[in-house]
Amino acid sequence: QVQLQQWGAGLLKPSETLSLTCGVYGASFSDSYWAWVRQSPGKGLEWIGEIDHGRRPEYNPSFNNRVTISSQPSNKQFSLSLRSVTVADTAIYYCARAAFFHYMDVWGKGTTVTVSS
Amino acid sequence: EIVLTQSPGTLSLSPGERATLSCRASQSVGSNSLSWYQQKPGQAPRLLIYGTSNRATGIPDRFSGGGSGTDFTLTISRLESEDFALYYCQQFGGSPPVTFGGGTKVEIK
Repeated sequence: QVQLQQWGAGLLKPSETLSLTCGVYGASFSDSYWAWVRQSPGKGLEWIGEIDHGRRPEYNPSFNNRVTISSQPSNKQFSLSLRSVTVADTAIYYCARAAFFHYMDVWGKGTTVTVSS
Repeated sequence: EIVLTQSPGTLSLSPGERATLSCRASQSVGSNSLSWYQQKPGQAPRLLIYGTSNRATGIPDRFSGGGSGTDFTLTISRLESEDFALYYCQQFGGSPPVTFGGGTKVEIK
């Protein structure tokens, strides 16, 4: 059974850097894309970006170059870094496995990140 | 950016009834690129349908998807109690490559 387990700091101050990591269990790391999605309080889903098995990341331009997604295939992990956070970045952050056509069939449980001074 | 507009915002139905959810794209979306998710409070989204009409593993056959071009639908043939939830459509293509609709809430009437 494929599982994604995610971890990282849940409380940040404005201007700090959000860092989350997602571990992949029960699946090949090289066969899929690995994505991050967030959900702001009471709002819908927003795709942040993803990285493929060739370690090429792709990002949502709305994050204005604040995002870096990297992978560590030997550990079967991938990570999200979001710089210069503001209150607007308060959200639940999910990691997910994406197939070739980018539907996401396995999700982590989500990490609640709060940005507050 | 391809904008997905879901309607209605809220659907109030009784168990056993049929639910039809709409997802309209601002530009044509490939049939392989449209997916549907279900989300319950406090849970991550769950993939229901991919490639417009393919049920994900373990999804009951009362869920079906259809459509093409800019108009897509998710149908739940007979609502069961566990189906009352939020539903999102998602597309792949364009820039950014992945966008989600705003969601439809299916609530008990």
